[in-house]
Amino acid sequence: DGGITQSPKYLFRKEGQNVTLSCEQNLNHDAMYWYRQDPGQGLRLIYYSQIVNDFQKGDIAEGYSVSREKKESFPLTVTSAQKNPTAFYLCASARPGQGLKQQYFGPGTRLTVT
Amino acid sequence: AQKITQTQPGMFVQEKEAVTLDCTYDTSDPSYGLFWYKQPSSGEMIFLIYQGSYDQQNATEGRYSLNFQKARKSANLVISASQLGDSAMYFCAMREGGRDDKIIFGKGTRLHILP
Repeated sequence: DGGITQSPKYLFRKEGQNVTLSCEQNLNHDAMYWYRQDPGQGLRLIYYSQIVNDFQKGDIAEGYSVSREKKESFPLTVTSAQKNPTAFYLCASARPGQGLKQQYFGPGTRLTVT
Repeated sequence: AQKITQTQPGMFVQEKEAVTLDCTYDTSDPSYGLFWYKQPSSGEMIFLIYQGSYDQQNATEGRYSLNFQKARKSANLVISASQLGDSAMYFCAMREGGRDDKIIFGKGTRLHILP
């Protein structure tokens, strides 16, 4: 089955710790994205990558870091510098270049930091 | 300024009625795309429908149609014959231009279908 996997579904961390969220896709998509969603809110773009070894900051990149060493993988690290890390994190992928018409989303990771 | 505005935070609709979810957008780019996504309580994002700025006809996908009024910068989602399973959050989103291919989301509308 082709799709996007995010693990784990729920993640708990103590304040001050870095944590890495996994995102893997087997859709052969070049572009990948990370979004953050807070309760009752829309999605805000954290980072996105159009191609391997390249990525750009989105609207709320502060306190986050990413890497794109492989086409299939786009892990997101939530650092201790992120002031309010508790949120629902969604990863997506797409096939750009022909006018993006759809993003495919993973099931999300709910991160709780106490 | 907000790029995507969804003015209805919540809506209650009787089952089997049609429902319109409002979305207005703001862009100066002549090339853009508009999306609607559904998010059930499980959290997954389900793609519903897409409309390109140069598309001549309104997009339709089964019970979903997009009422695209370019001059008014409006892209309302119409769900015909609503079902209980339509209860969810609905997000309008926009892609500007073709260079970055990033999508901006509105804050969403929570739709409740009443039996």
